[in-house]
Amino acid sequence: AQSVTQLGSHVSVSEGALVLLRCNYSSSVPPYLFWYVQYPNQGLQLLLKYTSAATLVKGINGFEAEFKKSETSFHLTKPSAHMSDAAEYFCAVSDHSKLVFGAGTILRVKS
Amino acid sequence: DTGVSQDPRHKITKRGQNVTFRCDPISEHNRLYWYRQTLGQGPEFLTYFQNEAQLEKSRLLSDRFSAERPKGSFSTLEIQRTEQGDSAMYLCASSLARGTTLGGSPLHFGNGTRLTVT
Repeated sequence: AQSVTQLGSHVSVSEGALVLLRCNYSSSVPPYLFWYVQYPNQGLQLLLKYTSAATLVKGINGFEAEFKKSETSFHLTKPSAHMSDAAEYFCAVSDHSKLVFGAGTILRVKS
Repeated sequence: DTGVSQDPRHKITKRGQNVTFRCDPISEHNRLYWYRQTLGQGPEFLTYFQNEAQLEKSRLLSDRFSAERPKGSFSTLEIQRTEQGDSAMYLCASSLARGTTLGGSPLHFGNGTRLTVT
């Protein structure tokens, strides 16, 4: 079965600093990978997805992620953090018929 | 695209009572999913429908849980004889997927129903 592991349950950055959220996957087949964001008391919103077309994927709100097969990673980055980026972020992998999610990383942005 | 809607947003119930949640997916989507999310965890898969057929159920879905999707439109999730361990956010999502695999089709989530069992 496919799975993802998110390293770091909490990440804190200063406003304007680089955001790096880590995700490693385990998959027996070429994976489809996703990043979602969740604000308090809301559902999950799709940030971006990797479907093998390009290794560098650009998403909404200035986020991007790079697929690295050799490292089995799909880390999420943003060059400059904004206060509105404070939320919980989930990495997910497509497992045949459904998405399997990681445990999430809470991003805190300090002013 | 009006998005996925869930009702109610919040539900407080006493242990032993039955509760039912409703989900209206994006109209052109053929797949509907139910997930459960507890504090500090990612969403956990419960079950999914393709049109009106329930094709997969997680082992998390005990026999107290039942889901339906009559006519392949909205879906309901019922929990009978609720327990305190059922307290969680119940998320519904929909997708347009062809064939038997989800592949690269993303799930579109509703805002969830937060259940508190006292």
